[in-house]
Amino acid sequence: AQRVTQPEKLLSVFKGAPVELKCNYSYSGSPELFWYVQYSRQRLQLLLRHISRESIKGFTADLNKGETSFHLKKPFAQEEDSAMYYCALSGLGGGTSYGKLTFGQGTILTVHP
Amino acid sequence: DAGVTQSPTHLIKTRGQQVTLRCSPKSGHDTVSWYQQALGQGPQFIFQYYEEEERQRGNFPDRFSGHQFPNYSSELNVNALLLGDSALYLCASSWRGQGRARYTEAFFGQGTRLTVV
Repeated sequence: AQRVTQPEKLLSVFKGAPVELKCNYSYSGSPELFWYVQYSRQRLQLLLRHISRESIKGFTADLNKGETSFHLKKPFAQEEDSAMYYCALSGLGGGTSYGKLTFGQGTILTVHP
Repeated sequence: DAGVTQSPTHLIKTRGQQVTLRCSPKSGHDTVSWYQQALGQGPQFIFQYYEEEERQRGNFPDRFSGHQFPNYSSELNVNALLLGDSALYLCASSWRGQGRARYTEAFFGQGTRLTVV
């Protein structure tokens, strides 16, 4: 079974402060991990995926297989980062989990001015 | 490209009724997945369609069924509606290509808000 846990439902920080959104997962095979974001009144959209190793909008996330974590980090939060963030998992490279996304419950990030 | 479009945007149904939700994938995409998002929860995978067949299914009863058409659009049908079926239903499309299990980014629609009374 695959599971994604986001322990914080709400996270508040001030502008310019570092932010870390936590994500832990369980999966028996090789996972692919993602962060999706939903800004107010917009649709769910991909923020980043671990395979691409990109930094998007200043956010980075490192897959730690030992700790089964994929925390999202940004050194200096901006007000426009306020949104709902979902961590998600899919099976990698085929198999029965391919393409099926398992989402965490989400974390609402609020960045105060 | 309008991206993934879903219809209707809102729907109110009575317990026991049946409902059909529709999804048009992003241009060039051949795979459609459906998700149910209850209030305060993350989206939950219902099923995925590729080449007009259901390829994967989540933990949902048989009351939930679907279809994919030759133009890749898809329908989600829910029979014998229960109050607990009230949720936002999301459609996501991606490209899989013939015979190659390779992930491409899933694009989501705005969703259909279903209320069962």
